[in-house]
Amino acid sequence: DAGITQSPRHKVTETGTPVTLRCHQTENHRYMYWYRQDPGHGLRLIHYSYGVKDTDKGEVSDGYSVSRSKTEDFLLTLESATSSQTSVYFCAISAVHPGQGGSPLHFGNGTRLTVT
Amino acid sequence: DAKTTQPTSMDCAEGRAANLPCNHSTISGNEYVYWYRQIHSQGPQYIIHGLKNNETNEMASLIITEDRKSSTLILPHATLRDTAVYYCIVSLVNNAGNMLTFGGGTRLMVKP
Repeated sequence: DAGITQSPRHKVTETGTPVTLRCHQTENHRYMYWYRQDPGHGLRLIHYSYGVKDTDKGEVSDGYSVSRSKTEDFLLTLESATSSQTSVYFCAISAVHPGQGGSPLHFGNGTRLTVT
Repeated sequence: DAKTTQPTSMDCAEGRAANLPCNHSTISGNEYVYWYRQIHSQGPQYIIHGLKNNETNEMASLIITEDRKSSTLILPHATLRDTAVYYCIVSLVNNAGNMLTFGGGTRLMVKP
């Protein structure tokens, strides 16, 4: 399995508080992604990174920001958490851009976030 | 964008082969077929991918039809631990360069 560690694994927080989720990889892959998974919606891309300090928005980026200061770490921040952000968050990595074909994504085991 | 169609659910007897079909009739010539699975409360696990030829690895085999409009994932000897939701995905990005979402998948239940 790809070396991807997400922390924390579980988090309960109150509405309006900031929350940061961490994804750490040991594979030295260039591309990193944050997804959220909700019933009935599958996996939806929040943000992704194509290198240190290079990030871009995904399908559901509103209310989220990201940072990547090192190859191995990709942080997802909820500046002011809302109940609609209660979800399971997955980090993924890939060696090359998935649009090049033949480059699978590898996922972490997720962070379950509950906003009360 | 190529889309996929998978049965919502399937059952398989433990020890038997599980054959999971996927239709992708609008696939383009340079688009790969990827298979992932997700066991409850875990992250999606990459299984296998292919372009034209059949592929096999330690987890499964992927059979792609000659016209590439459909494929089948084969788990040769299903175990209870193979119970999961299996996702068939064609290409990981769409024409606009946006990452594709994972759809509903097939819920495979392996029974003793």
